[in-house]
Amino acid sequence: EVQLVESGGGLVQPGGSLRLSCAASGFTFRSYWMHWVRQAPGKGLVWVSRINGDGSSTSYADSVKGRFTISRDNAKNTLFLQMNSLRADDTAVYSCARGAHASPPDYWGQGTLVTVSS
Amino acid sequence: DIQMTQSPSSLSASVGDRVTITCRASQGIRNNLGWYQQKPGKAPKRLIYAASSLQSGVPSRFSGSGSGTEFTLTISSLQPEDFATYYCLQHNSYPWTFGQGTKVEIK
Repeated sequence: EVQLVESGGGLVQPGGSLRLSCAASGFTFRSYWMHWVRQAPGKGLVWVSRINGDGSSTSYADSVKGRFTISRDNAKNTLFLQMNSLRADDTAVYSCARGAHASPPDYWGQGTLVTVSS
Repeated sequence: DIQMTQSPSSLSASVGDRVTITCRASQGIRNNLGWYQQKPGKAPKRLIYAASSLQSGVPSRFSGSGSGTEFTLTISSLQPEDFATYYCLQHNSYPWTFGQGTKVEIK
């Protein structure tokens, strides 16, 4: 069974940093692209970032480019999102999702809440 | 960036109704589109990929069509468990973009 479990969310002040993790199980992690998607409270889905299987290629939404970094540790079946210079409008539930090249994500985690507030 | 315009933003329908949701892309995306269903507090569930391919395990009352800039998700006979919010996602070019969502409510 595919499982994706996010952690690392919490309350952080504007300008602060946070590192999210996504523990994957039930599939060959290194064979899949992985994504981060966020959803602000009561709002729609927003794609944030993706990374390919060996970590050599990444892409970002314009709103997070230069502030967020996606990475992965295939030995530990874990995906990361390093978030720096956080702003109030980054407040959202952040979910990781499994994908494949040229295919939309098929499995999603439940997400972890990030709140940026003073 | 490619903008995805989804309509309607909400609709009220009865069990058994045929429901159609549309997504229009600001430029051509071939068939690089997926449809998702999301229920409150739950992770999104993929219904359709490649614009018209039904995800394994998804009921056949769901179908997708379209190519280029106009896409449609159809529920042929709405069931009680289908009341949810639906999103399209273009994955033709980065950054990937979702439609704004369509909330399907009980009439």
